[in-house]
Amino acid sequence: SQKIEQNSEALNIQEGKTATLTCNYTNYSPAYLQWYRQDPGRGPVFLLLIRENEKEKRKERLKVTFDTTLKQSLFHITASQPADSATYLCALDGSGGYNKLIFGAGTRLAVHP
Amino acid sequence: NAGVTQTPKFQVLKTGQSMTLQCAQDMNHNSMYWYRQDPGMGLRLIYYSASEGTTDKGEVPNGYNVSRLNKREFSLRLESAAPSQTSVYFCASSDQRGGQDTQYFGPGTRLTVL
Repeated sequence: SQKIEQNSEALNIQEGKTATLTCNYTNYSPAYLQWYRQDPGRGPVFLLLIRENEKEKRKERLKVTFDTTLKQSLFHITASQPADSATYLCALDGSGGYNKLIFGAGTRLAVHP
Repeated sequence: NAGVTQTPKFQVLKTGQSMTLQCAQDMNHNSMYWYRQDPGMGLRLIYYSASEGTTDKGEVPNGYNVSRLNKREFSLRLESAAPSQTSVYFCASSDQRGGQDTQYFGPGTRLTVL
């Protein structure tokens, strides 16, 4: 069956370090993958999109990689700050549907001063 | 621009009651979506509307109906609420241009069914 997996345990890191979040998927061949940020009590907010023919994408302190052989995306936040604390969701375009995104459950990141 | 707005923000229903969740977007987007989010689970698609006048079932449509009233508005109706429908409901919209399905989400409706 199709599955998207993100680490359900919270990731705790010290301010200034690089946070790395993982998104693994099985039985999909997505044309693209996206990352969203969700703060408590709010809707998700789009951060980055990476296509299947792109290995890496950057935006300010954010970097996303996409390995279609490993079926994995890594999301990095460099020089992390307490304000980066949130839940991060990965999403990929679901097969057999019209632009329907399939979301992972998310990983909570806590950056400590 | 308000983006995507949802009403109400909170709602408590008794089993068997009905209600409609409202969603509107002011970004002139073609596509709109309704999701539910439960603890430990990803957002699950209930229904979506690729364009005005069309609606299609998502992953978990049972117990829900939708109406795409016009390009701006997409409502979700629970005809006979059940405790299993206790969840946070999000509406989203997207433009679909260039194959990029970036979705813009509303603030959510927290629904409790007793």
